Amino acid sequence: EDQVTQSPEALRLQEGESSSLNCSYTVSGLRGLFWYRQDPGKGPEFLFTLYSAGEEKEKERLKATLTKKESFLHITAPKPEDSATYLCAVQRIYNQGGKLIFGQGTELSVKP
Amino acid sequence: EPEVTQTPSHQVTQMGQEVILRCVPISNHLYFYWYRQILGQKVEFLVSFYNNEISEKSEIFDDQFSVERPDGSNFTLKIRSTKLEDSAMYFCASSITADTQYFGPGTRLTVL
Repeated sequence: EDQVTQSPEALRLQEGESSSLNCSYTVSGLRGLFWYRQDPGKGPEFLFTLYSAGEEKEKERLKATLTKKESFLHITAPKPEDSATYLCAVQRIYNQGGKLIFGQGTELSVKP
Repeated sequence: EPEVTQTPSHQVTQMGQEVILRCVPISNHLYFYWYRQILGQKVEFLVSFYNNEISEKSEIFDDQFSVERPDGSNFTLKIRSTKLEDSAMYFCASSITADTQYFGPGTRLTVL
């Protein structure tokens, strides 16, 4: 069964304190792995798509990496405005509909 | 920047009533989706829609649910007879190629 597990469930950082979020996945053939940011009461906001092991994507203070079993979202020198829940999702290969399977998210809190 | 819009932002209904949630996907996108998120839980796939027909649906998407693209811009989710357990945030998403999906802000459905 396809599964996505994110850790930790919650992470508290001081402003400027770099860290990483983990997304472990089990899927019968990976088409893509997606990172989203979700603010309270809002819809998921797209961040990155990764397709193959070894791929890396960057955007401002965020960097996403992918291996055959997991993905990491590295946050460098975070600011309070980076506080949000970060969601990881996978998409199975040969799935015509494009269904996304989400993890439960990591709630990040960055204190000034 | 184009975005997915959803109306209403909050819908309150009585158990057993019909509700229609509306979405306007990004204009050049071809794939459309509905997801839901019960408070404190994962984002769950409901249905995908392409070329005026359902591509895939989850176990949640039973006979009480239906989707429609009534014109060239709207995409709707109908729940025929709402239950208490249908209370959730409902997100519409769209995609050009069944790959990266862009989400709307959501409709909060409260069933009393």
